[in-house]
This record gives sequence, structure tokens and C-alpha cells, in this order.
Amino acid sequence: GAGVSQTPSNKVTEKGKYVELRCDPISGHTALYWYRQSLGQGPEFLIYFQGTGAADDSGLPNDRFFAVRPEGSVSTLKIQRTERGDSAVYLCASSSSSGGAYEQYFGPGTRLTVT
Amino acid sequence: GENVEQHPSTLSVQEGDSAVIKCTYSDSASNYFPWYKQELGKRPQLIIDIRSNVGEKKDQRIAVTLNKTAKHFSLHITETQPEDSAVYFCAASSYGQNFVFGPGTRLSVLP
Repeated sequence: GAGVSQTPSNKVTEKGKYVELRCDPISGHTALYWYRQSLGQGPEFLIYFQGTGAADDSGLPNDRFFAVRPEGSVSTLKIQRTERGDSAVYLCASSSSSGGAYEQYFGPGTRLTVT
Repeated sequence: GENVEQHPSTLSVQEGDSAVIKCTYSDSASNYFPWYKQELGKRPQLIIDIRSNVGEKKDQRIAVTLNKTAKHFSLHITETQPEDSAVYFCAASSYGQNFVFGPGTRLSVLP
């Protein structure tokens, strides 16, 4: 079946602009995660949704970052007033979380470059 | 919060030899420990995982061991092949919630 998809694959934006990154999880997966990965580092947790609600947003670096999942499926990560330090690959992952299934499946990522 | 350390940061082995990567975690509430393989420019892929009620798990050439008392877990790859070359990440989670990843190990398998 279809895996996790993310759009766009690449996004170049100017400092100070607003961007939206989209994640389509595997159908039926109730858990959705956003991560940020900088070159040579491991994925850094940003936010975790269980259904429509953000169960844990402790990884969001500041109030310029916000994420929504209004219908419990597609999620959008929103970054306001982008800064050069926001440049990274943004990864999305989903998990069924039913019956204690914690296995995460990652999307291909969105490479964000802030100039 | 949880902190995950991973060693070594780079590892080179001859084809056919074994490779071992070690991770430690700090939060005793963590109960799920996956390992991911990430090739250059690709997404992380789950290769094996272990839960805190199990001490060891094996899948063909890959095995993971967990020592809950010492809070460390290890990835073992036997009979390494050039296609095993990649960056490997360990992670820790409590009930599939906030996942904390290690910094990664770059494995090179030399033919």
C-alpha cells in the first residue's frame, strides 16, 4: 500500500517568509510525528499527534512553529518568519499505535532551505 | 527528559566481519527501542526493535540486545555486506510517544 508522503520535496524560501509543509500518513495510522533533521545528526522530535490532538508538542523550538491535524489524517507543519537556522530536512512519520504497535514509518522528507 | 547516547560515531569493518553499535538511555520510563538505517538522501527505515520486556531479538543477520538495569541496548550485524553501509540510529520511546534519537553511527563495510 501507499507509504507516508510529504510535499513539497524541496522548498526554498527567503528569510522572514511563511512556509507550510504537508504530511500524508499511511491510511488508518492514528499517530503522526514531525521531526527535523540537520546534516549529520539524528532526527529531532518536534511534535506528536494522536488522532486530531497534539499529544506532545514539547519539541517545537519556539512559537514560530505550529502544526495541525484537523481531521486526524493529513498534517501541516507551519513555520512563520523563517530564519536561516530553520534550514533542515523535515521528516514526518506515522504509526498505527493500535494494540501497542509503535513502529514508525517515515516519509521522504521536505528539504527546507531558508536564504 | 530522555537523553540517548550512541557509540561509535563511525565504524569501519571488513566485509564478512561483525559490527556492534551501542546506545545508552537515561529515562527508566522508556520501554521501546527501535533501530533505523538511513542511506544517503533517503528516509530512515526501521530495521529491528525491542521492547523492555525482552532481552534479545534476532532477525537473520541483525540482532538487538537490551539491558534494562544498565539502560543500554546494542545492535549487532553479522556477516556484514557492502550494502549494510549506511548511518544507523538508535532511539528510545515511552509507549510510542516522544521518540528521542541518538546522534547516529556511520558504518562503512569495506569489500
